[in-house]
Amino acid sequence: KAGVTQTPRYLIKTRGQQVTLSCSPISGHRSVSWYQQTPGQGLQFLFEYFSETQRNKGNFPGRFSGRQFSNSRSEMNVSTLELGDSALYLCASMNSGGSNEQFFGPGTRLTVL
Amino acid sequence: QKEVEQDPGPLSVPEGAIVSLNCTYSNSAFQYFMWYRQYSRKGPELLMYTYSSGNKEDGRFTAQVDKSSKYISLFIRDSQPSDSATYLCAMRKQTGANNLFFGTGTRLTVIP
Repeated sequence: KAGVTQTPRYLIKTRGQQVTLSCSPISGHRSVSWYQQTPGQGLQFLFEYFSETQRNKGNFPGRFSGRQFSNSRSEMNVSTLELGDSALYLCASMNSGGSNEQFFGPGTRLTVL
Repeated sequence: QKEVEQDPGPLSVPEGAIVSLNCTYSNSAFQYFMWYRQYSRKGPELLMYTYSSGNKEDGRFTAQVDKSSKYISLFIRDSQPSDSATYLCAMRKQTGANNLFFGTGTRLTVIP
């Protein structure tokens, strides 16, 4: 099976812009979670989607949003970018109802200038 | 105070050494425990997944969970240079709330 794919792998934006990141989970997995990884804070949970519905949300401002499509692919959007949003954004795919193990994609490296 | 604490290292060991990596946590609601390995510029790779207290072995890797002490460990036997990576512990509270709580990661270097 193909693993989790994320696009794009690298992005450079300026403050105030918005960005959309994409994640395709492992085939058959219906749960997608997003995490932000920074050197200072480590990996922090953003939100989880299951069957096109947000099931769980972390402690991030409303500028961070997401959605999931009927084919389980997910996107996350960050509006009004700030310098502190520079991070590696990771998507994790899970087979809900199975082992509940989460498998991560390679991430999208976002740099905000 | 973070819910999951992990010594960031860095940790350097000679090839063939036994490596011990540890995490402590404060919330007794955590029931599922994981270890991930992350190479530079890659996403985390799931190494071990355990539920409740006890040991689990997979090849050169052994995961240990002590819920009474709120302490988990990962042991790597016969360490190899290819084991050089950042190791992240992670835990989850219960089925249905799938968000993972991560330690900050320990950077390991195995010297040939």
